Amino acid sequence: NAGVMQNPRHLVRRRGQEARLRCSPMKGHSHVYWYRQLPEEGLKFMVYLQKENIIDESGMPKERFSAEFPKEGPSILRIQQVVRGDSAAYFCASSIDGTGANVLTFGAGSRLTVL
Amino acid sequence: GESVGLHLPTLSVQEGDNSIINCAYSNSASDYFIWYKQESGKGPQFIIDIRSNMDKRQGQRVTVLLNKTVKHLSLQIAATQPGDSAVYFCAPRPGTASKLTFGTGTRLQVTL
Repeated sequence: NAGVMQNPRHLVRRRGQEARLRCSPMKGHSHVYWYRQLPEEGLKFMVYLQKENIIDESGMPKERFSAEFPKEGPSILRIQQVVRGDSAAYFCASSIDGTGANVLTFGAGSRLTVL
Repeated sequence: GESVGLHLPTLSVQEGDNSIINCAYSNSASDYFIWYKQESGKGPQFIIDIRSNMDKRQGQRVTVLLNKTVKHLSLQIAATQPGDSAVYFCAPRPGTASKLTFGTGTRLQVTL
């Protein structure tokens, strides 16, 4: 079991470009969560998805950010027209279900740097 | 929303001593609590969890204590080792919530 796989591990973009971060959940997990972490801070919830559905996007910025988890393939966090403030580590986690009492397993993160 | 705070942002402990990391939470509806460890450059790793119907749970070298009356939990690490150096987060979750809320974390530094 390879765990939660995220790629790329490091991504550099110039202001105005697009960033796409991918997350493959653990085998057997159908629930995916995205978190953002600024240096020396905690993880901030962004979005919770099941296959083909967004369940909770209360932590997503209203503009430029979107997420999907298609029937086939990894979950994608997409940031359009990146700005310097988007520089952060983005972590994906997965769980077997979303009953609220299951441990989330995290990936190693994708570190976005916006120049 | 939930707010989670930690009493000591940085804790320095000598190798072999016991460590205690504290966490306060605000949402009384939180009934499930998880501690995560995050090493530099890595994602958070599960350490131990506890449900609100318990006040203590033990793992290998770690113990979590929960005091629901004052909304406080602690993580105790016995015989701290250099490999324990990391940032530790507590994450409370109300039973019906879909997401974990993380505090800023406590950095544990183990000195030789």
